[in-house]
Amino acid sequence: AQSVTQPDIHITVSEGASLELRCNYSYGATPYLFWYVQSPGQGLQLLLKYFSGDTLVQGIKGFEAEFKRSQSSFNLRKPSVHWSDAAEYFCAVGFGNEKLTFGTGTRLTIIP
Amino acid sequence: NAGVMQNPRHLVRRRGQEARLRCSPMKGHSHVYWYRQLPEEGLKFMVYLQKENIIDESGMPKERFSAEFPKEGPSILRIQQVVRGDSAAYFCASSQNRDQPQHFGDGTRLSIL
Repeated sequence: AQSVTQPDIHITVSEGASLELRCNYSYGATPYLFWYVQSPGQGLQLLLKYFSGDTLVQGIKGFEAEFKRSQSSFNLRKPSVHWSDAAEYFCAVGFGNEKLTFGTGTRLTIIP
Repeated sequence: NAGVMQNPRHLVRRRGQEARLRCSPMKGHSHVYWYRQLPEEGLKFMVYLQKENIIDESGMPKERFSAEFPKEGPSILRIQQVVRGDSAAYFCASSQNRDQPQHFGDGTRLSIL
């Protein structure tokens, strides 16, 4: 069965510093890969997605992610975080775009 | 273009009552997905529906839970005889077709007294 691992439960980063959130997956084939962000009490907003092609994908709010097949990873990065980036981040995988499997999330705290 | 609309945002029920959660997909979207999020956990897939059809219900509990997406009107997730363990946030997502990403609503927080 497919699974998604986000090894970091909680990350604290200074405003203006760079950010990398890790995501590893276990899947029978190359899945569709997604990063979503969730603010408290809100739904999930899609940051970016990878279906095929260029393994470095650009998303909204200055985020990017790189698919590495050899490492079964899809890490999320941002060169300089803003206080408004504080939220919960979820990595998700699916075969096609249907039944998504989510990781347990990484909570991002931004300090001044 | 309105997003995915879920109501109510918060729902309180006593044990043994029924809970009905509604989801109106984005305009032009005919695919609806329901997920459940327990505290401190990620979202767990429950069911995938297209208009009038259940496509995949592999994540639905075998008893008390049902979902529908009628030809007209919103999708409904129904939980009969609720128990404390049903307390969670329930999210609905919709997509235009199988090749497009899912867009999520703000969820319904269900609390069981």
